[in-house]
Amino acid sequence: ETGVTQTPRHLVMGMTNKKSLKCEQHLGHNAMYWYKQSAKKPLELMFVYNFKEQTENNSVPSRFSPECPNSSHLFLHLHTLQPEDSALYLCASTRENTIYFGEGSWLTVV
Amino acid sequence: RKEVEQDPGPFNVPEGATVAFNCTYSNSASQSFFWYRQDCRKEPKLLMSVYSSGNEDGRFTAQLNRASQYISLLIRDSKLSDSATYLCVVNIKNTDKLIFGTGTRLQVFP
Repeated sequence: ETGVTQTPRHLVMGMTNKKSLKCEQHLGHNAMYWYKQSAKKPLELMFVYNFKEQTENNSVPSRFSPECPNSSHLFLHLHTLQPEDSALYLCASTRENTIYFGEGSWLTVV
Repeated sequence: RKEVEQDPGPFNVPEGATVAFNCTYSNSASQSFFWYRQDCRKEPKLLMSVYSSGNEDGRFTAQLNRASQYISLLIRDSKLSDSATYLCVVNIKNTDKLIFGTGTRLQVFP
């Protein structure tokens, strides 16, 4: 247990659906991340928030919309996704540049 | 050129063998380095940080060569339980960016 919790763990959604992934940590970490991991590809950094402010947006399509209401919670809102967006979405938080991951949300877009 | 490059493997080694992985990075502003381990269908977990002078943790030794921009991981006396994917991670100075390599897959056989 790293203290980073993600829900849901598994999600199947249609291309016209709207859903959200949730992440929370009560470790006192200031930075939170969304990464995408597809088969046979490296983890792709999507977004970074530091003290609730977005500090990195790695050219992510607008169908992915992050929200960080406070330093402990991070959301990824999903809308009109494509089948190629099916992947493992990992949330993480950092302390002194050491990154701690949640268990991930397995997303399948049908 | 990828920011962080690793040989994807797989490296198939017998129990008790010594195996080494390298990772090269392209951004000279990289300041912190880590090795993570990822088991199949699980989230990555920190294995060890990599310090400038090199560091050891039991059977694992990590080294950094800033001049040639690579880090290495040496595993001695391989165990079956070492079978996993080993990810190289680089932090870019003055940013929140943590960049992952594709990972090197290790399979230890009896």
